[in-house]
Amino acid sequence: GAVVSQHPSRVICKSGTSVKIECRSLDFQATTMFWYRQFPKQSLMLMATSNEGSKATYEQGVEKDKFLINHASLTLSTLTVTSAHPEDSSFYICSAQGGTKGSNSPLHFGNGTRLTVT
Amino acid sequence: GENVEQHPSTLSVQEGDSAVIKCTYSDSASNYFPWYKQELGKRPQLIIDIRSNVGEKKDQRIAVTLNKTAKHFSLHITETQPEDSAVYFCAASKGSNYQLIWGAGTKLIIKP
Repeated sequence: GAVVSQHPSRVICKSGTSVKIECRSLDFQATTMFWYRQFPKQSLMLMATSNEGSKATYEQGVEKDKFLINHASLTLSTLTVTSAHPEDSSFYICSAQGGTKGSNSPLHFGNGTRLTVT
Repeated sequence: GENVEQHPSTLSVQEGDSAVIKCTYSDSASNYFPWYKQELGKRPQLIIDIRSNVGEKKDQRIAVTLNKTAKHFSLHITETQPEDSAVYFCAASKGSNYQLIWGAGTKLIIKP
């Protein structure tokens, strides 16, 4: 089935530094990538939607200069958290739209990245 | 924009009993309604979905019903087992772009 590889799975960084999270679609072309943030015991909050080769569309309240999204190819999208602060600590998950025939889902999730900013 | 409400926030049932989780949505143009199961620290896993041209869908112990007029859809799990314990999310989207709007989640606890 369609697989999305997300890494790192966990990252701890110091306040003020930047962190890059990668999502790769391993066996299909991800025409659209969705990036979510999930705080403990809460639902997934959509941060942005990106289509290959174009600028990401950010949801209201999400700073595009802080959360840089690049979707340069149909198999790779990255989210960079710049100048991270402790309040950015969260679980970040990507979801790719696209997939091989026979897949029972139009969306394929990465395993998530647990970001802790100290 | 679309708003999805999910109830209850926590549901505790005896093993073997049925569990029902309900969601309502606000945008009548929404046409795709998936249900996800998420275990702690893991990614959401699609367990069943339904499109707006169908009223009910079943997959073994899991079923989803959709009432387009009332704009609500429900997840039914029968003969619950301990491994069903998790957080369940409903979601809705419209058009061909699967930009999901998520419910707040239901923590399902199966008591042995």
